[in-house]
Amino acid sequence: SYVLTQPPSVSVAPGKTARITCGGNNIGSKSVHWYQQKPGQAPVLVIYYDSDRPSGIPERFSGSNSGNTATLTISRVEAGDEADYYCQVWDSSSDVVFGGGTKLTVL
Amino acid sequence: EVQLVETGGGLIQPGGSLRLSCAASGFTVSSNYMSWVRQAPGKGLEWVSVIYSGGSTYYADSVKGRFTISRDNSKNTLYLQMNSLRAEDTAVYYCARGVLFARAYYMDVWGKGTTVTVSS
Repeated sequence: SYVLTQPPSVSVAPGKTARITCGGNNIGSKSVHWYQQKPGQAPVLVIYYDSDRPSGIPERFSGSNSGNTATLTISRVEAGDEADYYCQVWDSSSDVVFGGGTKLTVL
Repeated sequence: EVQLVETGGGLIQPGGSLRLSCAASGFTVSSNYMSWVRQAPGKGLEWVSVIYSGGSTYYADSVKGRFTISRDNSKNTLYLQMNSLRAEDTAVYYCARGVLFARAYYMDVWGKGTTVTVSS
């Protein structure tokens, strides 16, 4: 089955840029989607098709995908961005696959 | 307003059965791809099952043969029948609307979740 690997945690100071990676075998050939989940809340889609943003998601959120790594980038990080972030792909043999999640801490 | 509301969670003994419901508003369940995703306490997201608009169903290996996804078009509601429950099925269960296009699937609308606890 297909495996997505995320770092357990990322820390960043307010106003700086956070980058959260999602590794997978030739992940660049797949479409990657990202979800934000704050404590006690349901996940929220923040990036789909590698780099598209749903309406209502700030432009500070962007995504890229190439080779074996997809990246979620959050520019000008705010305290309200502190959350768990999950990458997700659809694999024909594994159906829906999530990464293990990354806890973003705003220092 | 597009909304999903899950109900049916609770405390159940190992080996027992439970049926979760997910009532949709603002869109038609039968015209969309609908998934169940769960999250064990302190853990990450785990996809459980999906039903395609055409009616095809797929399951994670961890629940195959024990869980059944279905929908009632007249009630615009999604269901998850869970049998032979185990302690490791303890989780918050979310239903989510999916989009399948160009060999990609993502979930754009999520419910708030319902909690299932399997314990004696």
